[in-house]
Amino acid sequence: LAKTTQPISMDSYEGQEVNITCSHNNIATNDYITWYQQFPSQGPRFIIQGYKTKVTNEVASLFIPADRKSSTLSLPRVSLSDTAVYYCPPPNKYIFGTGTRLKVLA
Amino acid sequence: NAGVTQTPKFRVLKTGQSMTLLCAQDMNHEYMYWYRQDPGMGLRLIHYSVGEGTTAKGEVPDGYNVSRLKKQNFLLGLESAAPSQTSVYFCASRRQGTDTQYFGPGTRLTVL
Repeated sequence: LAKTTQPISMDSYEGQEVNITCSHNNIATNDYITWYQQFPSQGPRFIIQGYKTKVTNEVASLFIPADRKSSTLSLPRVSLSDTAVYYCPPPNKYIFGTGTRLKVLA
Repeated sequence: NAGVTQTPKFRVLKTGQSMTLLCAQDMNHEYMYWYRQDPGMGLRLIHYSVGEGTTAKGEVPDGYNVSRLKKQNFLLGLESAAPSQTSVYFCASRRQGTDTQYFGPGTRLTVL
């Protein structure tokens, strides 16, 4: 059964780089890895997706090792507005779990 | 292009009352989903639809019914509301062949 595991919570200070790692159990060969971000009182929103190696967009970077058994979401120089819950659901399973609650401190 | 919209944004019901939550998407997506989110519980899938006229049960379907009469709309019904259904409800849609879901802003429901 496909499942992902990620830390329940993390704290960081403004200006630091934050890395959130997700382990992917039984990821299939064709599956992409997707991360979502959810602010309080809003629905989750897509932030980044990748298949292997590194993907970067205006919000974050995603690092996926060759074995694809994990992925790391990297948020460069976080600000208070990056305080949110971050999810890495198993591909095609739509099981979001509780995600990682990131709190950015001043 | 409004994306995914949900109606209403807030609602308070008394135990035993019924109501329907409406989800609409203008992206021509085939798949649509209803989730509920409770404090500390993450998102749990209630029902989903892979196309117009088809629906299927998710993780927590009891007490809810759904209908997908039109491709752009997905309705979630509560026939007899219970306090345990107090939650925030999110709708999402997805294009066939992709793995990215687009979520609505949510409906906050309180059942007294």
